[in-house]
Amino acid sequence: NAGVTQTPKFQVLKTGQSMTLQCAQDMNHEYMSWYRQDPGMGLRLIHYSVGAGITDQGEVPNGYNVSRSTTEDFPLRLLSAAPSQTSVYFCASSYSPISSYNEQFFGPGTRLTVL
Amino acid sequence: QQQVKQSPQSLIVQKGGISIINCAYENTAFDYFPWYQQFPGKGPALLIAIRPDVSEKKEGRFTISFNKSAKQFSLHIMDSQPGDSATYFCAASPLGNRDDKIIFGKGTRLHILP
Repeated sequence: NAGVTQTPKFQVLKTGQSMTLQCAQDMNHEYMSWYRQDPGMGLRLIHYSVGAGITDQGEVPNGYNVSRSTTEDFPLRLLSAAPSQTSVYFCASSYSPISSYNEQFFGPGTRLTVL
Repeated sequence: QQQVKQSPQSLIVQKGGISIINCAYENTAFDYFPWYQQFPGKGPALLIAIRPDVSEKKEGRFTISFNKSAKQFSLHIMDSQPGDSATYFCAASPLGNRDDKIIFGKGTRLHILP
């Protein structure tokens, strides 16, 4: 199993550009989520999905869109990048609800810089 | 009430020493307390977790101590090694429906001196 994979590993954008961060998992997990990690801020939940076709907002959803057309994939879209979105982005998946007694498996992260 | 407060922000420990990281929470509905370990350039990975029906859980050199009445829990790393140098996140979540969220502390950057 590859686990949770993310692409790209690094990305530099100019303000106003759009892009999609890709996330895929091969563990047949129902639950997937996106976090951003900023120095001193820990991991903050952006969006999450409890299954194909179902998504919901997390703590910091503004400026990001998600969709979940398949169990395996959960892309994160930045519609108009802003410098405040400079961060490291992690995708995670788990077998059961993200709040239950269940391990979350994280991807290796995407380091995004917005100029 | 949804916060998990983690301290210290950074910690330096001599090799062989004990590393201690503390977390506190307010929400009494929290009943699952995992710790995640993150090495530079990698995603976090589950290290150890505890439920509130026990006061301590030990896995190798890693121990979680849990104080339900004080709403505090801590990670102890015994005989700390340079390979333990990483960022550690505590977290808490309620048991229950799919709309509940896991809440992470802000992290502790641990450095073990060789």
